[in-house]
Amino acid sequence: GQNIDQPTEMTATEGAIVQINCTYQTSGFNGLFWYQQHAGEAPTFLSYNVLDGLEEKGRFSSFLSRSKGYSYLLLKELQMKDSASYLCAVMDSNYQLIWGAGTKLIIKP
Amino acid sequence: GAVVSQHPSWVICKSGTSVKIECRSLDFQATTMFWYRQFPKQSLMLMATSNEGSKATYEQGVEKDKFLINHASLTLSTLTVTSAHPEDSSFYICSARAGTTHTEAFFGQGTRLTVV
Repeated sequence: GQNIDQPTEMTATEGAIVQINCTYQTSGFNGLFWYQQHAGEAPTFLSYNVLDGLEEKGRFSSFLSRSKGYSYLLLKELQMKDSASYLCAVMDSNYQLIWGAGTKLIIKP
Repeated sequence: GAVVSQHPSWVICKSGTSVKIECRSLDFQATTMFWYRQFPKQSLMLMATSNEGSKATYEQGVEKDKFLINHASLTLSTLTVTSAHPEDSSFYICSARAGTTHTEAFFGQGTRLTVV
């Protein structure tokens, strides 16, 4: 079966760095997406990785290792507004998105 | 990025009535639209995938006669919850994709449905 695993909840301090991990087992691979979702709102796109390595975009970076079925989202200089759920999603061989359950990130002052 | 507009943002309806939710891609042609349901503190659950001009493909366990999906044009898809019951109360989100490969899906704002 297809499976996406990410931690349920993480806590970090404002100004710090946090890494949210995602491991996956899917039928084929056509890229991995990270989305941010604030409570009661729709997800917003953060990043897309299809090749191994690190993609940096401002305070957010995303890393992919296809051989390990592993990705992480790195958030630097955390701000209170970064408190949200972070969803990892993998596009399988049928170009369908398989979603993880999301990681709730709590930022403390 | 591209804009997907979902309407209404929230709706309250009585049990037994039907509710229609619209999803529009405003500045691109959406070849594929997805409808999700999300319960509190849970991830997105894909309900169905629709391609313009063809019947929607429903995920296992989703009643196609209860959740009617129409994708009549490249910019509009609708989800109709028929004979709604309180257990249908949920957050419904649509997303649209311009291509089929390696393209991100853009999400509508979501619709909070409460059935009383």
